[in-house]
Amino acid sequence: EAQVTQNPRYLITVTGKKLTVTCSQNMNHEYMSWYRQDPGLGLRQIYYSMNVEVTDKGDVPEGYKVSRKEKRNFPLILESPSPNQTSLYFCASSLGQNNSPLHFGNGTRLTVT
Amino acid sequence: DQQVKQNSPSLSVQEGRISILNCDYTNSMFDYFLWYKKYPAEGPTFLISISSIKDKNEDGRFTVFLNKSAKHLSLHIVPSQPGDSAVYFCAASALSNTGKLIFGQGTTLQVKP
Repeated sequence: EAQVTQNPRYLITVTGKKLTVTCSQNMNHEYMSWYRQDPGLGLRQIYYSMNVEVTDKGDVPEGYKVSRKEKRNFPLILESPSPNQTSLYFCASSLGQNNSPLHFGNGTRLTVT
Repeated sequence: DQQVKQNSPSLSVQEGRISILNCDYTNSMFDYFLWYKKYPAEGPTFLISISSIKDKNEDGRFTVFLNKSAKHLSLHIVPSQPGDSAVYFCAASALSNTGKLIFGQGTTLQVKP
């Protein structure tokens, strides 16, 4: 089944404790992206990657890192999480051709206390 | 600065009637627009899109209209069904930077039986 898989689905952590949210897609997509969803703000793009070893900042990259060492994986790293990073996170992928629709994972609910 | 705005947080319609969801944008460089639907505990799924060279695109019960001069698009669902109850996000991108997809805040549609 074609899908984007995020892990974990739920995560509660404390301020300053490094964490990684994994994202993997099995569709051989070139493009991958991370979003966060917050009430009243919709989905905001954190980082995106047009291809392996190519990453770019989205609209809200502060406090996040990403890497794209292989095509299928695009982990989101929070080196020192803070409470304002409490959010619902979505990973997405697409073929990368102009305007091909995104396929989203089911989300990761992160709480930072 | 919210470049894509959905000014109605919620909409309630009766089953069988038309649902109209609206979206406004400010960036004149946007030339491709998409609508996504999101159910609770799931990631958004692609619904329908429209290029700026068109003013209408139809797919079954779903039609998207684009008014470039007003920088406004709308999604019409006819007839509305209870299964259409979800959060709807509009999104926009520019050909010059297809990696960046900007989403609106979302509108929660409730279709009453």
